[in-house]
Amino acid sequence: SQKIEQNSEALNIQEGKTATLTCNYTNYSPAYLQWYRQDPGRGPVFLLLIRENEKEKRKERLKVTFDTTLKQSLFHITASQPADSATYLCALVPSGGYNKLIFGAGTRLAVHP
Amino acid sequence: DARVTQTPRDKVTEMGQEVTMRCQPILGHNTVFWYRQTMMQGLELLAYFRNRAPLDDSGMPKDRFSAEMPDATLATLKIQPSEPRDSAVYFCASGLVLSGLAGVMVGELFFGEGSRLTVL
Repeated sequence: SQKIEQNSEALNIQEGKTATLTCNYTNYSPAYLQWYRQDPGRGPVFLLLIRENEKEKRKERLKVTFDTTLKQSLFHITASQPADSATYLCALVPSGGYNKLIFGAGTRLAVHP
Repeated sequence: DARVTQTPRDKVTEMGQEVTMRCQPILGHNTVFWYRQTMMQGLELLAYFRNRAPLDDSGMPKDRFSAEMPDATLATLKIQPSEPRDSAVYFCASGLVLSGLAGVMVGELFFGEGSRLTVL
């Protein structure tokens, strides 16, 4: 069956460290993948998009990698800050079909001062 | 500042009642999604419209849920009759489907703040 898996356990890190979140997928061949941030009681907010022919994408302190062989995307936040604490969701669009965006369950990140 | 607007923000109702949630997508966006979020299931896709036409509603329980887009400024999600298991936060999101050399692609989605539904 098709799955998008993100670590359900919260990731706790110290301020200033690099946070790395994982998104694994099974039985999908996504043309591209997106990452979103969600704060409690709010809707998700778009962060980055990476295409299957791109290995890495950066935006300020954020970096996303996409390995279609491993069927995995990694999301990194460097020099993390308490304000980065949120739930991070990956989403992919299965190739073919109507370009519907399917989300993983998300990983909660807590950055401690 | 363009944003997706959803109403109501909170709704408490009794089992068996009809519930209608409304969404005003961002002007100019050609794609609207409805998602449901629960602690157990995460964000589940319920329905997907492009240029107001329903493309996929396979995630929606057909016997009680219906989604429509009567015009470009309004998308609705209706539950009739509602059940306690429908309790969740319902999100609407809009975006642009872009066509280019790389094919067709959904760009970033803009989400509303959600409608929290509690069915007693």
